[in-house]
Amino acid sequence: GENVEQHPSTLSVQEGDSAVIKCTYSDSASNYFPWYKQELGKGPQLIIDIRSNVGEKKDQRIAVTLNKTAKHFSLHITETQPEDSAVYFCAAKTGGFKTIFGAGTRLFVKA
Amino acid sequence: NAGVTQTPKFQVLKTGQSMTLQCAQDMNHEYMSWYRQDPGMGLRLIHYSVGAGITDQGEVPNGYNVSRSTTEDFPLRLLSAAPSQTSVYFCASSPGITGELFFGEGSRLTVL
Repeated sequence: GENVEQHPSTLSVQEGDSAVIKCTYSDSASNYFPWYKQELGKGPQLIIDIRSNVGEKKDQRIAVTLNKTAKHFSLHITETQPEDSAVYFCAAKTGGFKTIFGAGTRLFVKA
Repeated sequence: NAGVTQTPKFQVLKTGQSMTLQCAQDMNHEYMSWYRQDPGMGLRLIHYSVGAGITDQGEVPNGYNVSRSTTEDFPLRLLSAAPSQTSVYFCASSPGITGELFFGEGSRLTVL
């Protein structure tokens, strides 16, 4: 079945440094790759997404890259700030309406 | 707009009891789904629906039932709760075409 693997499970960076989270997916039919941020006690919220016909997308300090051949996509956060501390999930959506999530990365940004 | 509303926020059950987690959305989204979140395991899809009257199984459907009689509501039923169902449950909806999921605030369930 479909599977999404996410690494690392925990990431600690100094304020101002960059953070990179990597994911791989198994279903070659996947065509939509969102990233969600979850703050304590809240539901996940979309922060950026990318579709299978695009290789890279940026939104201010956040960027996502996609390598369809390798079935690999990554989240890059530059100039990290304490408010970036949260749990981040990657996900892959298949053509059959299922969105499958990675296990999550807990990001700590130290001031 | 309220978005996606889940009730209750907290619930404690004894093994074998039944209950229903309620989910309602006011965005006229066709697609709705239920996930459970466990430490170190991310969000796992339980059941989903692509429209009223249509439901299908996700990754971990055993022990859960769903129905979708209206576009707005998508309740999740536990017929005989087990300790393994202790988790945080999230309902999510999506317009379907874009793929973005809109999540509720979650329901924390403890089964003793």
